[in-house]
Amino acid sequence: DGGITQSPKYLFRKEGQNVTLSCEQNLNHDAMYWYRQDPGQGLRLIYYSQIVNDFQKGDIAEGYSVSREKKESFPLTVTSAQKNPTAFYLCASSPFTGRKTEAFFGQGTRLTVV
Amino acid sequence: DQQVKQNSPSLSVQEGRISILNCDYTNSMFDYFLWYKKYPAEGPTFLISISSIKDKNEDGRFTVFLNKSAKHLSLHIVPSQPGDSAVYFCAASGWDSNYQLIWGAGTKLIIKP
Repeated sequence: DGGITQSPKYLFRKEGQNVTLSCEQNLNHDAMYWYRQDPGQGLRLIYYSQIVNDFQKGDIAEGYSVSREKKESFPLTVTSAQKNPTAFYLCASSPFTGRKTEAFFGQGTRLTVV
Repeated sequence: DQQVKQNSPSLSVQEGRISILNCDYTNSMFDYFLWYKKYPAEGPTFLISISSIKDKNEDGRFTVFLNKSAKHLSLHIVPSQPGDSAVYFCAASGWDSNYQLIWGAGTKLIIKP
């Protein structure tokens, strides 16, 4: 089945550690996104990538890093520089950017700092 | 400064009745609007969209209305069913932001039996 797979579903991290969230899609979409959701708030864009080997910062990129070495994969690293990393992280993809289209989402990863 | 606002954090509706979820936006450059539905601990799923050249779009029980002069859109669900209980997000995009989706904070819809 075509879709977006995020792993793991739940992740616990000690303070000061980096952690990487996985996102894979087999929809052949060009664009991929990482969002963060906090209680009572909408989705906030962390990073997005329109093409392999290229990515741009979103609204809240500080403390995060990404890579796009393959079209199918867009991993997100939450670094120790991120002051408040506990949140629900959503990965999404869309066929292209710059045009009217919807985004397709993975199931999310809940990250908790302990 | 929130460009997309959903002013009702929650809404409770009797099963079988109409649910109306509202969304306001401030950026007049937005020309494509979407509604997503989200269950707890899952990713949002696309429901319905509308382009600014239209004022209404229907898909089964779901209808989205767009009032460009008021910068307001609404999602109507008729009739409401228990499975409709979820958080509904409104999103907007426009050419000036390369069609990046800008999201509202969501409205939690509760359908009472």
